[in-house]
Order: sequence, then structure tokens, then C-alpha cells
Amino acid sequence: SQQGEEDPQALSIQEGENATMNCSYKTSINNLQWYRQNSGRGLVHLILIRSNEREKHSGRLRVTLDTSKKSSSLLITASRAADTASYFCATHSIIQGAQKLVFGQGTRLTINP
Amino acid sequence: DTGVSQDPRHKITKRGQNVTFRCDPISEHNRLYWYRQTLGQGPEFLTYFQNEAQLEKSRLLSDRFSAERPKGSFSTLEIQRTEQGDSAMYLCASSSLDRGSYEQYFGPGTRLTVT
Repeated sequence: SQQGEEDPQALSIQEGENATMNCSYKTSINNLQWYRQNSGRGLVHLILIRSNEREKHSGRLRVTLDTSKKSSSLLITASRAADTASYFCATHSIIQGAQKLVFGQGTRLTINP
Repeated sequence: DTGVSQDPRHKITKRGQNVTFRCDPISEHNRLYWYRQTLGQGPEFLTYFQNEAQLEKSRLLSDRFSAERPKGSFSTLEIQRTEQGDSAMYLCASSSLDRGSYEQYFGPGTRLTVT
């Protein structure tokens, strides 16, 4: 079963605007990861944040983690048409199993030129 | 190309037939994972290998599903007596054993359609 829930399920913005996606989860985690998936393709790892970290940056990506609220957010700044994709959060937890990732349902992001 | 590869990319089969998918992980990765993804959903974990040992299986993996990784390199996923509910994208991923390296690298997937 899915652990994470992404919000919103779909997001459409204009190129150049910032996009924010949220993820909530249920169990204790070791780390939380964000992946991108272009239509009909495999997933690409974007960024990983550990349970003892609160914020992490990578290029135009900013991820926050609030373990007290069991939530994370992904911010994409200065969006581009090429950012159009589905974005998934995935949690890694010893409780869930030694190595598997548990994915949310994803946010479909559309960047309009 | 040194990424994860999967074969075939697409498979159409009739209900009741058996199908087998192959995954070739990144060469230095000793962990290999299979996930299933249906339309509009996130991937769901099926099974995981460390080298040739199958260490974890999901309850989703019914007795019609079997996965192998005989020499700790490539892996196969077989579905026997396919059902329409098996139609999905089957994703393979690999990762390194290095401590703290939890990122998984995904292949392009095999899309299965059962008619």
C-alpha cells in the first residue's frame, strides 16, 4: 500500500513560476527521496534528505522535511517547460523493510510556455 | 550506456500466457529491485535482491510471480498464467551497497498489456 500522499495531485503553472509539491507519510523514516518521471518512462532520482536534515538544495530544487509533522515539500524555482513530469516522494524506513522505497501517488506537474 | 536496462520495453500477451522480463542493473550495483506501477499511481515494491539472494518479497508477489538473479548480475521476473489485472509497468532499479547510498537507479520499464 502507498505510504505517502502527494498534494496537489496535479499542478499547472506558467513557465518561470515556482512549483511547490507536498508529501505526507505515516511511519518513521531514515530518509525521504524525490523522483521525477516523464510520461511512460522510468524514474529519475532528484534529491535525498535524511531524517536528521531539515532542508536541502540542489540547483533549482529545494526540499524541506518536518519529521514532527511527517511531511516534506519540494520546491522547483524558475520552472521550465522541461520540468513537466510527474514527481514522486519515496520514503525509506527500516520498519517498512530493509531496503525498499515506498512511493506516494505523485504530483503531475505541467509547465505552460 | 551504463544505466539500468530492461527488455522488452513493451509486451502484449493474452490472458493465461506466461511472460518473462529481464533487467540488467548498473554493473557495480549489487542490489536489485522490482516494482510495479499502474496508471496514475506510484510504483509499488515487489521484491529485492542483494547479489543473488532474494531478501524481501511483497505480499503483492503472488505465487504466479517468480523472480531470479542467478549470478548476482541480471534478473528475470516471470508471471505465469497472466491475468488482466497484471497489466502494468514493471520497473527495475539497482543501487550500491555502500553505506548511506540509498538512491535507486531505475530502468525505463517494461509495459505489460494483458488482453
